[in-house]
Amino acid sequence: EPEVTQTPSHQVTQMGQEVILRCVPISNHLYFYWYRQILGQKVEFLVSFYNNEISEKSEIFDDQFSVERPDGSNFTLKIRSTKLEDSAMYFCASRGREGYTEAFFGQGTRLTVV
Amino acid sequence: DQQVKQNSPSLSVQEGRISILNCDYTNSMFDYFLWYKKYPAEGPTFLISISSIKDKNEDGRFTVFLNKSAKHLSLHIVPSQPGDSAVYFCAASQDSSYKLIFGSGTRLLVRP
Repeated sequence: EPEVTQTPSHQVTQMGQEVILRCVPISNHLYFYWYRQILGQKVEFLVSFYNNEISEKSEIFDDQFSVERPDGSNFTLKIRSTKLEDSAMYFCASRGREGYTEAFFGQGTRLTVV
Repeated sequence: DQQVKQNSPSLSVQEGRISILNCDYTNSMFDYFLWYKKYPAEGPTFLISISSIKDKNEDGRFTVFLNKSAKHLSLHIVPSQPGDSAVYFCAASQDSSYKLIFGSGTRLLVRP
């Protein structure tokens, strides 16, 4: 069964450092998303991406965050200067088409900022 | 932001009985609702969904009911199995946006 793959599974970084979280969405999917879940809190939407551009972003997704689909298969989330409060599980998701369809999530990357 | 609420943080059910998980929402513009299951250290796994034009959708042991007037949906699992023990999230979206708004989750424990 096709699946969304995320790497690494766990990333530890020092505050102020840049991190790149990587995702390989399901092949032939067109819509891509990043969500995060801070420990003990809800899963929160960060950004959606379609047709090589951001279609929507939340207020969490400030100038420190960026997304890219550099090669048609990978989908990356970059945090330029990490803060302690960026520590969370980050989930990538993809969806095949418009309308009433489900999003498939990856297994997540646990980001720990120390 | 409390647009999607799951008021029961946990539920314990005997194996073979019915599990009923509830979810309430406040935004009347939501038109698509989903249930996800999540194990620790894994991503959410899609279970079942329903659009606002329906009031019921069934897939094997899982049935989702939508009551639009009450802004309430529920997930029924019958019969419940120990492998169903996980955290269940409901999520909602407006088709124009598709960003999913998640509830806080209900931890289901199915006792053998």
